[in-house]
Amino acid sequence: GENVEQHPSTLSVQEGDSAVIKCTYSDSASNYFPWYKQELGKGPQLIIDIRSNVGEKKDQRIAVTLNKTAKHFSLHITETQPEDSAVYFCAATTGNQFYFGTGTSLTVIP
Amino acid sequence: GAGVSQSPSNKVTEKGKDVELRCDPISGHTALYWYRQRLGQGLEFLIYFQGNSAPDKSGLPSDRFSAERTGESVSTLTIQRTQQEDSAVYLCASSLVAGVPGELFFGEGSRLTVL
Repeated sequence: GENVEQHPSTLSVQEGDSAVIKCTYSDSASNYFPWYKQELGKGPQLIIDIRSNVGEKKDQRIAVTLNKTAKHFSLHITETQPEDSAVYFCAATTGNQFYFGTGTSLTVIP
Repeated sequence: GAGVSQSPSNKVTEKGKDVELRCDPISGHTALYWYRQRLGQGLEFLIYFQGNSAPDKSGLPSDRFSAERTGESVSTLTIQRTQQEDSAVYLCASSLVAGVPGELFFGEGSRLTVL
């Protein structure tokens, strides 16, 4: 089955700096790669996703890049704000089972 | 409803008791997933449903865990003879079409504490 690894497990940045979280996957059949944000006491919420036919996608301060050859994808958050502090999960799927990374706890220091 | 609804939001039980956790997915969503999240940990897959059938039960930790879904809507996760290691948040998610990659909508979870 698919194996998704995520790094780093914790990340602290100064407000206004950029944050990058990286994930690798093992199953070349995976074709959809979402990123979820989980705030304390809440369920994860989708923030951005990318499909395998695209190399990069951007939505305001958030971007995701995908390298299918190397089987890795990354989340980039620019101009970080305190409200970006949360746990972020990457995932990979072929459409049925979703495989999640172990999460990155991001802290943005004001 | 507007989103995925889970109940109870919080459950405290004694070791050895049975518990039932309920998930109401978004209306019309055919796929439904259960995940377990231990404190400070990632999302551990338990089971998913396509309609009322469960093609993949591989994540259920033991035969004390079971789940069903009826009418392509409500799902119930049952844990029998609970153990302390079952303490976790149980998250339910639904998506529009099973087998077609798309957004998972999560509920806020049911926090289970086994004393």
